Amino acid sequence: AQSVTQLGSHVSVSEGALVLLRCNYSSSVPPYLFWYVQYPNQGLQLLLKYTTGATLVKGINGFEAEFKKSETSFHLTKPSAHMSDAAEYFCAVSGGSNYKLTFGKGTLLTVNP
Amino acid sequence: DGGITQSPKYLFRKEGQNVTLSCEQNLNHDAMYWYRQDPGQGLRLIYYSQIVNDFQKGDIAEGYSVSREKKESFPLTVTSAQKNPTAFYLCASSTPSGGADTQYFGPGTRLTVL
Repeated sequence: AQSVTQLGSHVSVSEGALVLLRCNYSSSVPPYLFWYVQYPNQGLQLLLKYTTGATLVKGINGFEAEFKKSETSFHLTKPSAHMSDAAEYFCAVSGGSNYKLTFGKGTLLTVNP
Repeated sequence: DGGITQSPKYLFRKEGQNVTLSCEQNLNHDAMYWYRQDPGQGLRLIYYSQIVNDFQKGDIAEGYSVSREKKESFPLTVTSAQKNPTAFYLCASSTPSGGADTQYFGPGTRLTVL
């Protein structure tokens, strides 16, 4: 079984500040990990994903995430927040031959001017 | 442009009625999925299909039904048996690659029961 925990349902940062959204996972097989972003009343868009290889993954819009197996974490960061980053962010895990995605409950990011 | 379309964007239903949500993709993907999204709950899998004429129940299939007669289409019917159908419904598709496949999402349908 797989599960995802996103710490903090709501994160608020100032424009230009560091963005850090936390994700911890549980998986009995080597995981594939994903971050998606959702703008209000829209579908989800992939930001980045980790499959194998380099543990630091770069995505779109300046976001990156680091896979840390020892900590079972896949936190999402961006050095400098922009107003356009305000959205809800979802971490998800799948693994092995199981292509089903298990999502966390999401973190709403607010960016203050 | 390739992508996933869902219709309608907003849907209102009276209690006791069945409604069907449309999902079409032109990405030539084999797999398609339906998710339900409620505030603060993330996304929960309703049904998925890896190939035409085959589909499997997800985590919350009760009160829902699907069909997969064409590769491009995966309609979802919300039946009167679904006790709390008001939610945002998202369709997705992917090309299966051993768990590492990226799921691409449609814009969603917001269903409200009156």
